[in-house]
Amino acid sequence: DAGITQSPRHKVTETGTPVTLRCHQTENHRYMYWYRQDPGHGLRLIHYSYGVKDTDKGEVSDGYSVSRSKTEDFLLTLESATSSQTSVYFCAIRLASGASYNEQFFGPGTRLTVL
Amino acid sequence: ELKVEQNPLFLSMQEGKNYTIYCNYSTTSDRLYWYRQDPGKSLESLFVLLSNGAVKQEGRLMASLDTKARLSTLHITAAVHDLSATYFCAVDMADQFYFGTGTSLTVIP
Repeated sequence: DAGITQSPRHKVTETGTPVTLRCHQTENHRYMYWYRQDPGHGLRLIHYSYGVKDTDKGEVSDGYSVSRSKTEDFLLTLESATSSQTSVYFCAIRLASGASYNEQFFGPGTRLTVL
Repeated sequence: ELKVEQNPLFLSMQEGKNYTIYCNYSTTSDRLYWYRQDPGKSLESLFVLLSNGAVKQEGRLMASLDTKARLSTLHITAAVHDLSATYFCAVDMADQFYFGTGTSLTVIP
């Protein structure tokens, strides 16, 4: 357990509504990630952050935005949710050390359904 | 763009048998990770492989890395039902992880 929580854990929303998912960590890790998991695709990176206010896009960033105003929180926003964004969303933190030991640890996930 | 391919995608095996899951990737990387995921759960870290020739073992699972062949294997010895899960490999490249599509393993009594 790397002290990662996600909220909400489950959400059902309607097409066109904004949605924000929250990832919270308690151990001051610099790197945080948002992934989505869909059958047949494994995990795909949406956005990641390498520090407060420092973020970058991943493979499937269209339709998503992120913010990181403090170390412990990384927010993922769907500006106008679509049915194709129905998925399970995982947050992860990365351990980083001088030994290049970059293992990622994952939060419990958020199941989002867009009707 | 880095591609990570796992095979097989689905594996049904009898208890007591041995099998290997393969993870191929398309570009040079010295760092590869294996994860396990149970249905409805998050990903759990299994192995971290940080150099060519690295081998790690935990119980009935053994992982290895051949960076020259861009190949990692996850070998299962004498499978038991508790190993039923989905297994993912992930390659570390430039701050990002690239995941394979996963291997769904079912161990049949």
